[in-house]
Formats: sequence, structure tokens, C-alpha cells
Amino acid sequence: AAGVIQSPRHLIKEKRETATLKCYPIPRHDTVYWYQQGPGQDPQFLISFYEKMQSDKGSIPDRFSAQQFSDYHSELNMSSLELGDSALYFCASSSNWAGTNEQFFGPGTRLTVL
Amino acid sequence: DAKTTQPPSMDCAEGRAANLPCNHSTISGNEYVYWYRQIHSQGPQYIIHGLKNNETNEMASLIITEDRKSSTLILPHATLRDTAVYYCIVRPFVYGGSQGNLIFGKGTKLSVKP
Repeated sequence: AAGVIQSPRHLIKEKRETATLKCYPIPRHDTVYWYQQGPGQDPQFLISFYEKMQSDKGSIPDRFSAQQFSDYHSELNMSSLELGDSALYFCASSSNWAGTNEQFFGPGTRLTVL
Repeated sequence: DAKTTQPPSMDCAEGRAANLPCNHSTISGNEYVYWYRQIHSQGPQYIIHGLKNNETNEMASLIITEDRKSSTLILPHATLRDTAVYYCIVRPFVYGGSQGNLIFGKGTKLSVKP
């Protein structure tokens, strides 16, 4: 079965650079979520989109922005990168009409800021 | 903040049942108990969820106390591949429309030993 696809899987950036992470949800899923997991930390919710509109916002820094496109894929844009942005970034998708309300997570993008 | 409390770590012998407890004493009437797990650095994976009745699927069983203030996830025959961090999460079940994000607490690190 198709899963959530994230690209790139690994990314190395310098401080103050920008980065763009991409997420391709499971087909027919209408909601996308972004989570950040720092080293030794638990996943923290950043932002979500339902039907291409922002639905919830968590602890997302102002330097970050995200959107969901007409084909339902989503991008997380990160600017003025800081060392503390080094983390695993997970994207998840769900269908609001599925029976379990479960979120399906992608493999993550490991961002390293040097 | 997470609305659940779990022991930080547990050990289990391979082939034995793993019983992971969770306290959620402030759970609301419309909130379900969800369990996810995260195998090292992989995306979290949905296991099971329930409202007030015991639930079972191909992965695990979920026992919820009558007052709904606590629950236990049971992996009936733990294998080495079940070594992971297990998260107990309470959240409303929404059918249709925008859904809420997952709030991950500290979770329980389960180590299955040969």
C-alpha cells in the first residue's frame, strides 16, 4: 500500500540558510500534519492542513511557513536556520472519513544545521 | 501538555506478554485513547484506539478501566521488533472535518529482551 513520502530524507544546511521539506500524503488523504522531533525529544506538532487550508498551529517558529497544494502535497519552508532546528521532521496524513482517525507517518527528513 | 502519564521504561522477555499502563485521569467524555509507537527514529505508527470498551486488533489489545481513567496496552507475544517507545494519547474522535493533532507525552520505552 502507498505510504507517506517525504523528501529529501537527509538535508544538511548551514546556519542562516533556508530549507524546504516536501511531503506527499497517502492518496485520497485530505489532512497533512508536520511534526518536529529534536534529539532525544518526543515529536512536537508544528502545523496541519485540511483540504489545503491551515487547520491547526502548534509550536511552529515564525521563521517557518508551510502550505498544502492543490494536489494535496505539502511543503515546509524554513528560513534563517539555527542550530536548534536540527531535528527529524515528520509528515503525517489522514483521511477524515476513515474509520480510525489514525495518522500515517512518513519516514521523516533528518535536517542537520551546521 | 500531554494529558497522560506513562512509566518511562519497561522490560519484557521475548515471547511474553507486554503490559503497558497509562493514566489519563482527566479524560473527557468525547476523548478516545490512542496508542502509537515509534521504533528508533522511524515515523510513529498507529497501534490501536478505544473509547470505553476493550479493543483488539492484529497488533495488540487495549483494556480501558470502567471509569476510563487508565488503560493498558497489551502486546500478547512480544518480539524483539516490538522494542520501541510507546505513546498513549487522548484525543477527540472526529468524523469528517478538520481533525486535531497528536500531543506526544514522554511515552514508555519498551525493551524486549531475548
